[in-house]
Amino acid sequence: DTGVSQDPRHKITKRGQNVTFRCDPISEHNRLYWYRQTLGQGPEFLTYFQNEAQLEKSRLLSDRFSAERPKGSFSTLEIQRTEQGDSAMYLCASSSDIRVREKLFFGSGTQLSVL
Amino acid sequence: KNEVEQSPQNLTAQEGEFITINCSYSVGISALHWLQQHPGGGIVSLFMLSSGKKKHGRLIATINIQEKHSSLHITASHPRDSAVYICAAGAYNTDKLIFGTGTRLQVFP
Repeated sequence: DTGVSQDPRHKITKRGQNVTFRCDPISEHNRLYWYRQTLGQGPEFLTYFQNEAQLEKSRLLSDRFSAERPKGSFSTLEIQRTEQGDSAMYLCASSSDIRVREKLFFGSGTQLSVL
Repeated sequence: KNEVEQSPQNLTAQEGEFITINCSYSVGISALHWLQQHPGGGIVSLFMLSSGKKKHGRLIATINIQEKHSSLHITASHPRDSAVYICAAGAYNTDKLIFGTGTRLQVFP
């Protein structure tokens, strides 16, 4: 399978715990995006990488959130001290270069539930 | 007001009907994307267009840059077309998409 894969598919955690999600993009894609989606809403931009460089972060990304893409391949999104408001679907997408004139390929997402 | 607005929010249809979903945006764009999301989260890119019209099977996407409006049409709709259809604007001079809230389509046999 050469699509975008995300792990885990589902994560249930208690408030205050830390969680980490992983995204493996399509191998030749150098752009990687993280989005968050809550029920009934469209995805909201969180951050994106060009290779290993994190080029933009949304104001939605508080200091409890951190994302990395250390070797320009897979990426991780960590949420520290989770809150119930963090419950959402976290989506990863990748594309080849050239801004948003290229199609995005999405993973199936990680559904986070914070109890 | 959202920068990307879709209508209707919900749509039901009988199998075979012609479907139209509308998207209006208020930002300058370099491209407009139409995406399909099935229950469980998976999102598939249907079209990316910056002018004119594109067709793929029973799906047609059009865009009017001057009016800042795009439409997605489904001809001869089928129950397997039931999904959420999302419009997303690739704003000019940025590297992220601005998403609409989606249109939930249900096609009944």
